[in-house]
Amino acid sequence: EVQLVESGGGLVQPGGSLRLSCAASGFTFSDHYMDWVRQAPGKRLEWVGRSKNRLNSYSTEYAASVKGRFTISRDDSKNSVYVQMDSLKTEDTAVYFCARVPRICYGGSCYFYYMDVWGKGTTVTVSS
Amino acid sequence: DIPVTQSPSSLSASVGDRVTITCRTSPGISIYFNWYQQKPGKAPKLLIYATSTLQSGVPSRFSGSGSGTDFTLTISSLQPDDFATYYCLQTYSIPWTFGQGTKVELK
Repeated sequence: EVQLVESGGGLVQPGGSLRLSCAASGFTFSDHYMDWVRQAPGKRLEWVGRSKNRLNSYSTEYAASVKGRFTISRDDSKNSVYVQMDSLKTEDTAVYFCARVPRICYGGSCYFYYMDVWGKGTTVTVSS
Repeated sequence: DIPVTQSPSSLSASVGDRVTITCRTSPGISIYFNWYQQKPGKAPKLLIYATSTLQSGVPSRFSGSGSGTDFTLTISSLQPDDFATYYCLQTYSIPWTFGQGTKVELK
């Protein structure tokens, strides 16, 4: 069964740090990009950032709202992706989801253009 | 960032109704448009990708269409399991951006 399981959420004070993990199973983790998406209470979904695959040099991309504060990494040997969140702000309070961006190949090229598998999420609360 | 404006923000409908949700975005998105269903306390579920391709296992009463700047999710005959919030998502360029969501409620 294809599955993603997030962990590491909790209560942290403004300015603090937290590291979230996402463990994958049931598919070839190294082939795909992995994204983080968050949802603040009562708000729309917000794309946070991405870890690309080995073929794309494990490069990362970030939303402007977290760039310079969040760092996404992955360990293909552990089928896991992480987000290190530093200098947390109250507006970072949200449920954080990890999601797979599948590699779709045809015509000699590969594309990444949707998220198909999501974890259940982990809750981060930034409050004093 | 590419803006995505979704409407309506909520709607009331009955079982068996035809429901249409629309998103408007920038031109040139092409096939990079997707739809998700989310129930309270749950992760989003992919319904439609590449504008009109039904994700495996999703009932055929769901369909997607669109071109240019306007994209549509249609539920042909609303079922009790369909009461949820629906989000559109453009994946043409980073940052990927979601619509505001449409909450489908029982009339």
